[in-house]
Amino acid sequence: GQQLNQSPQSMFIQEGEDVSMNCTSSSIFNTWLWYKQDPGEGPVLLIALYKAGELTSNGRLTAQFGITRKDSFLNISASIPSDVGIYFCAGRSLPGTYKYIFGTGTRLKVLA
Amino acid sequence: EAGVAQSPRYKIIEKRQSVAFWCNPISGHATLYWYQQILGQGPKLLIQFQNNGVVDDSQLPKDRFSAERLKGVDSTLKIQPAKLEDSAVYLCASRGGWGELFFGEGSRLTVL
Repeated sequence: GQQLNQSPQSMFIQEGEDVSMNCTSSSIFNTWLWYKQDPGEGPVLLIALYKAGELTSNGRLTAQFGITRKDSFLNISASIPSDVGIYFCAGRSLPGTYKYIFGTGTRLKVLA
Repeated sequence: EAGVAQSPRYKIIEKRQSVAFWCNPISGHATLYWYQQILGQGPKLLIQFQNNGVVDDSQLPKDRFSAERLKGVDSTLKIQPAKLEDSAVYLCASRGGWGELFFGEGSRLTVL
């Protein structure tokens, strides 16, 4: 099935550094969702975006809905060890269907 | 508010055996999803229900997978007969009023 492309695939960062990741699609999306998944757990919703250009924060996390509607970005400021995990984006392209496609994931590892 | 409940958390079976997974969505959520997540990949949609009707099952391998949501509340996903490549985490999600998806902890299947 179709999946969104996430970049980078994985990253190692030092504690306290800022992190940026993105998600791109060949299709226009109407909604973007960002999730974090810890090992052995289900994905947990971090941020939801509904409008092109929208910028939304959740604590140290900030996500943006790209103005082309084909991409989205997630930033984590001042990373801490518990930020370790896999971050997934999910997008909805067809209005009214609420069918979501998931990205390939960005694996984040934080070095203390 | 209780989250999405799934059971069992873990299941190990031999190939060609059958298995069933159960999901109870967040109370009041009409839309329910089953996703398959293979290790190292993002979740892939298997089937989407709206109340007790199927909205999308285009990615469901119907020769071996079946799902039902008879009363429009809880749902069961069945695999019969299982193959080695069915080893994965089966995630259930329900949709909130703003379109966001909330996931359960998942059911991890190992097929030997």
